Amino acid sequence: EPEVTQTPSHQVTQMGQEVILRCVPISNHLYFYWYRQILGQKVEFLVSFYNNEISEKSEIFDDQFSVERPDGSNFTLKIRSTKLEDSAMYFCASAVGQGARNEQFFGPGTRLTVL
Amino acid sequence: AQSVTQPDIHITVSEGASLELRCNYSYGATPYLFWYVQSPGQGLQLLLKYFSGDTLVQGIKGFEAEFKRSQSSFNLRKPSVHWSDAAEYFCAESYGNKLVFGAGTILRVKS
Repeated sequence: EPEVTQTPSHQVTQMGQEVILRCVPISNHLYFYWYRQILGQKVEFLVSFYNNEISEKSEIFDDQFSVERPDGSNFTLKIRSTKLEDSAMYFCASAVGQGARNEQFFGPGTRLTVL
Repeated sequence: AQSVTQPDIHITVSEGASLELRCNYSYGATPYLFWYVQSPGQGLQLLLKYFSGDTLVQGIKGFEAEFKRSQSSFNLRKPSVHWSDAAEYFCAESYGNKLVFGAGTILRVKS
């Protein structure tokens, strides 16, 4: 069964460093998402991406964040200069279509720890 | 603003007992509602969803949920819990193209 994969499973970085979180969505999916969950808090939407453009982003997704689909398979989230408060579990999701009727399939997450 | 509330942070039930996890949503006359489960080291797996129609929806792994508009609720139920059901459960509502999640309920199953 096709699944969304994410690498690495755990990333430890120093404050101020750049990190890139990688996701491989399901191959025929066209819509891509990043969510995050700070420990003990809700899963929060960060950004949605379609046709090589951001279609929606939350207020969390500031200039320190960027997303890219560098090739036909990967979908990445870059944090330019990490802060302590960026420590969280980051989930990638993909969907074949847009809107609530199209299930978003989630990856297992990348746990980011900023020291 | 849209919000999803899961009042119970932790719930412990005995194996074989029934389960109900509570969820309240705040947005929309016709909400799109979901329940996801997350086992350790795994992604979020969709258990079931409600869009319209029959207010009792069936999902995978023997779960069901009932939509009650009058109570703005979408509670998840299972008649007999198995030890493998121990996980974290998230209720979510679709808002446009994104999901808004509740804080999650951690289910512990005791033998």
